[in-house]
Amino acid sequence: AQSVTQPDIHITVSEGASLELRCNYSYGATPYLFWYVQSPGQGLQLLLKYFSGDTLVQGIKGFEAEFKRSQSSFNLRKPSVHWSDAAEYFCAVGPSGAGNNRKLIWGLGTSLAVNP
Amino acid sequence: KAGVTQTPRYLIKTRGQQVTLSCSPISGHRSVSWYQQTPGQGLQFLFEYFSETQRNKGNFPGRFSGRQFSNSRSEMNVSTLELGDSALYLCASSLGRGGGTDTQYFGPGTRLTVL
Repeated sequence: AQSVTQPDIHITVSEGASLELRCNYSYGATPYLFWYVQSPGQGLQLLLKYFSGDTLVQGIKGFEAEFKRSQSSFNLRKPSVHWSDAAEYFCAVGPSGAGNNRKLIWGLGTSLAVNP
Repeated sequence: KAGVTQTPRYLIKTRGQQVTLSCSPISGHRSVSWYQQTPGQGLQFLFEYFSETQRNKGNFPGRFSGRQFSNSRSEMNVSTLELGDSALYLCASSLGRGGGTDTQYFGPGTRLTVL
């Protein structure tokens, strides 16, 4: 069955430190891969997405992610974290299902806290 | 361009009541998806609509229903509310036909509390 795993429920980093959030997926073909961020009290905002082409994807707010087919991973990275990056991060994979019954599969999220 | 709007933002109901939530997608977007978000379960897919037709449905009981109007606005309804229905309900719109490949644009959500 298709699935998405975000192994880290909660991560704390210091401001200015580098960040890597993990996302592993189980999927039979080349998936569409997404990272979304949810700030407190807000809806989700797309950070970046991948379907094909260069496996290193650049997104908004200085984030990037690398698709590694051999490891079934799509980890999110940022070289220097800012306090405003504290939020919940979700990885999603799609489409799951067939025909008109296709949808995204979502990870449970990683909560990021940033220490000053 | 205005983003996805959801009304109301907060709602308190009691068990057994029913509730209707509204979502207005970004102008020009024809797909609308609904999600239930809870701390323990993450984002759970409820249903997706495209051009007034339900394309896909998640694993929720029949108490949860939705519809989409000709202007792409969507509503979801929960009847006979249970305590476990307390959650943040998120609406997302997309430009294409949806189906798990389009970028979704989310509204701020409706926080439903069932007492």
